[in-house]
Amino acid sequence: DTAVSQTPKYLVTQMGNDKSIKCEQNLGHDTMYWYKQDSKKFLKIMFSYNNKELIINETVPNRFSPKSPDKAHLNLHINSLELGDSAVYFCASRPQRAGGTEAFFGQGTRLTVV
Amino acid sequence: QQQVKQSPQSLIVQKGGISIINCAYENTAFDYFPWYQQFPGKGPALLIAIRPDVSEKKEGRFTISFNKSAKQFSLHIMDSQPGDSATYFCAASKGGTSYGKLTFGQGTILTVHP
Repeated sequence: DTAVSQTPKYLVTQMGNDKSIKCEQNLGHDTMYWYKQDSKKFLKIMFSYNNKELIINETVPNRFSPKSPDKAHLNLHINSLELGDSAVYFCASRPQRAGGTEAFFGQGTRLTVV
Repeated sequence: QQQVKQSPQSLIVQKGGISIINCAYENTAFDYFPWYQQFPGKGPALLIAIRPDVSEKKEGRFTISFNKSAKQFSLHIMDSQPGDSATYFCAASKGGTSYGKLTFGQGTILTVHP
């Protein structure tokens, strides 16, 4: 019954490695996002996809590459991980409607780069 | 550039008291103002939201007050309970090509003592 699910929940890896985080939503939403929450809990958008098309890229380093194989899935691949990439990454989704609507967040993936 | 500023950073309230968190925004194109609640280890979840055509919205113990001319909005939690202890984020979004991208405030850690 989970609306937005991410895997893995925890990820510990060494600098220089490549890793992926997966996200799936079963809400039938058209728009999906990746947000990054830093150590001070500040939430900032990274990417947004609408119907598998990238529509927002918030000046994220190109080591981060999102991919949306279909509108229910949005994955995040990170190359050459750096210490500063340690954070909690949240996937979210919302329906595409005029005006603001609720965004549903996953439980997050805590990435620790050592 | 911090487009949504939130205060205070942390707040301690006694059970039964009123918790008040304030936010100010800069971009007059914002047209949707949600508040999200986040518990440790969980993703943010929508608590209550308001659009700029109303000055107040109440849902149970939670009320948003909105002042369009001052570009400010606030969350009031009446009869605060220990279970309300969490991090609260105000946010703002605008329609059109932003596709519901949320710009968050810095967050407020609320602790309600029994």
